[in-house]
Amino acid sequence: GENVEQHPSTLSVQEGDSAVIKCTYSDSASNYFPWYKQELGKRPQLIIDIRSNVGEKKDQRIAVTLNKTAKHFSLHITETQPEDSAVYFCAAGNSGYALNFGKGTSLLVTP
Amino acid sequence: DGGITQSPKYLFRKEGQNVTLSCEQNLNHDAMYWYRQDPGQGLRLIYYSQIVNDFQKGDIAEGYSVSREKKESFPLTVTSAQKNPTAFYLCASRVASGSYEQYFGPGTRLTVT
Repeated sequence: GENVEQHPSTLSVQEGDSAVIKCTYSDSASNYFPWYKQELGKRPQLIIDIRSNVGEKKDQRIAVTLNKTAKHFSLHITETQPEDSAVYFCAAGNSGYALNFGKGTSLLVTP
Repeated sequence: DGGITQSPKYLFRKEGQNVTLSCEQNLNHDAMYWYRQDPGQGLRLIYYSQIVNDFQKGDIAEGYSVSREKKESFPLTVTSAQKNPTAFYLCASRVASGSYEQYFGPGTRLTVT
C-alpha cells in the first residue's frame, strides 16, 4: 500500500520567514496530493491540493510543488504569521478514493 | 460548521463495552470515511464507503465495524475487540466524482477506561 513520509515533525520559524514541509510517497499510482491544516482540537481543513498533471500550484502565501519522478511534494508558506501556527498534514491518494496521511508537522510561528 | 456532523464531541466508556460513534452529512456526498488520530501518528483510515450498502476496510479495521444504510449516515462501532480504543475519531465525506476534497467532521474524542 501507499506509504507517506513527512518531514520535519516540528518546525519553528520567525514571523515573516518562510516555512517548507516535505513529503514523499511510495505508490506511483497516486495522483492526488492534498495538504490539511489542523488547529488544536479542531477538524483538519484543506488548504491546498495538487493533482499529478500539475507541477506547481499557488494560492496567495501558500504553494505546493510536486515532483512525480522523485515521488515527493512540498508545501511552501511565505511571509508566515502567528495564525499559521498549527499542525499540517500531507496526504496522497489515487483519484481521491482513500487518502494516506503523513504523520504531521507542528509549525510554530513566533512573533 | 454545518455539512458534516459527529456526535457526541466527548464519549467515555468502560473497557469491554461496545460504543457507536455517529457521523451524518447533508452535503449529498457519496463517499464517507472514518479515520483515527493518535498523537504523533497522523490520520489512519479505519473504513470507507463509496456508496450505500457497500464499504471497505482501511489500514486499521480490526476491532471496528460500520454500516451504510443511508447516504447521509456512516456510524462507526468500536467493539470490545479493539485493544486500544482511546483516540480522536474523525469522519469525512466527499463527492464521488470531480473534486477529490474530503470534508471532515468536528471529531469525537473517545476515552475508554
